[in-house]
Amino acid sequence: EVQLVESGGGLVKPGESLRLSCAASGFTFSRDTMNWVRQAPGKGLEWVASITSNSHSIYYADSVKGRFTISRDNAKNSLYLQMNSLRAEDTAVYYCSRQFAGVGEFPLDYWGQGTLVTVSS
Amino acid sequence: DIQMTQSPSTLSASVGDRVSITCRASQSISSWLAWYQQKPGKAPKLLIYKTFSLESGVPSRFSGSGSGTEFTLTISSLQPDDFATYYCQQYNSYSKTFGQGTKVEIK
Repeated sequence: EVQLVESGGGLVKPGESLRLSCAASGFTFSRDTMNWVRQAPGKGLEWVASITSNSHSIYYADSVKGRFTISRDNAKNSLYLQMNSLRAEDTAVYYCSRQFAGVGEFPLDYWGQGTLVTVSS
Repeated sequence: DIQMTQSPSTLSASVGDRVSITCRASQSISSWLAWYQQKPGKAPKLLIYKTFSLESGVPSRFSGSGSGTEFTLTISSLQPDDFATYYCQQYNSYSKTFGQGTKVEIK
């Protein structure tokens, strides 16, 4: 059974940093592309960042570029999101999700339960 | 970046109704379009990928169609479990943009 378990969320002040983690199991983590997607309270889904299996290709939404860093440790089956210079508008539930890596393009087929990040003074 | 526009934002319907949600892309995304269902407090659930392919375990009352820039999610006979918010997403480009969502409410 595929499982994605996020952790690391919490309440921080504007300008502070936070590191989210996502522990993966039940699939070949080292093969697949991983993503972070967020959802502000009462709002829609926003893709945040993605990282390919070998970390060679990394992409960010413009809204977080230069402040957030996505990374992974395939030996630990773990995905990370380092969030610096946090703003009130970064307040959201953050989900990690898997994107199967095969021939062609694939959707985000497995999602974690999410971890809430609140940025407030 | 590719923009995705969903309509309507809210849809009121009754059990048994046939409902459709439209998603338009700002440029061609070929067939790389997915639909997700989300219920309050839960993670999104993949329903359809590559425009019309049904994810394993998803009821056949859900179907997808379209190509290029215009896509549709249809629920042939709305069931009580289907009242939720639905999102389209393009995964043609590295920036996997979502539509703004369509909330399907009980009429």
